[in-house]
Amino acid sequence: DAGVTQSPTHLIKTRGQQVTLRCSPKSGHDTVSWYQQALGQGPQFIFQYYEEEERQRGNFPDRFSGHQFPNYSSELNVNALLLGDSALYLCASSSTTSGNTIYFGEGSWLTVV
Amino acid sequence: AQKVTQAQTEISVVEKEDVTLDCVYETRDTTYYLFWYKQPPSGELVFLIRRNSFDEQNEISGRYSWNFQKSTSSFNFTITASQVVDSAVYFCALSEAKRYSTLTFGKGTMLLVSP
Repeated sequence: DAGVTQSPTHLIKTRGQQVTLRCSPKSGHDTVSWYQQALGQGPQFIFQYYEEEERQRGNFPDRFSGHQFPNYSSELNVNALLLGDSALYLCASSSTTSGNTIYFGEGSWLTVV
Repeated sequence: AQKVTQAQTEISVVEKEDVTLDCVYETRDTTYYLFWYKQPPSGELVFLIRRNSFDEQNEISGRYSWNFQKSTSSFNFTITASQVVDSAVYFCALSEAKRYSTLTFGKGTMLLVSP
């Protein structure tokens, strides 16, 4: 049973560029959430997708956008990258029909230079 | 608004010592979930436990045990006979008990277990 998988694992981008991160949820899960974790901090909620729609959004600017596909996989897009966007981006998946346990992937380490 | 406080930034112990990680939370919800996650250097958040707010029974799983006290809004985590492999950052988190729930995390406690 595959867990939550994310790609890429590491990437380096330049200020002003755009980045796309990808996530496949755990088998049987239909809800995907994205979190940003800055160094030395706890993860912060970005947004959540269910049935291909954004259901909840945290306190992040519109430069952060996402998408969920029919197979429940998801993408996180960040435009006009800032140095402060450097962080670990974690994808989490859960099921609306089998409890509220939330599982995380290994994350994508983004460095903006 | 929900809030999770992990007052211990870093704890260092010697192998085989017992260690307790503290977690205090704030919420206006009457029903909620509490979680503990372990984050090794690789970055992945490893799920350890989920506790419902209406279930105050303590839980033990091997060397791990959790003490949930609703009266003090605390959900503490104890590792008995710690091992070097327990070294990681541990996060306590809180979520609402609703369909589209999200997690509010504490800042984490780094546990260093030395041989």
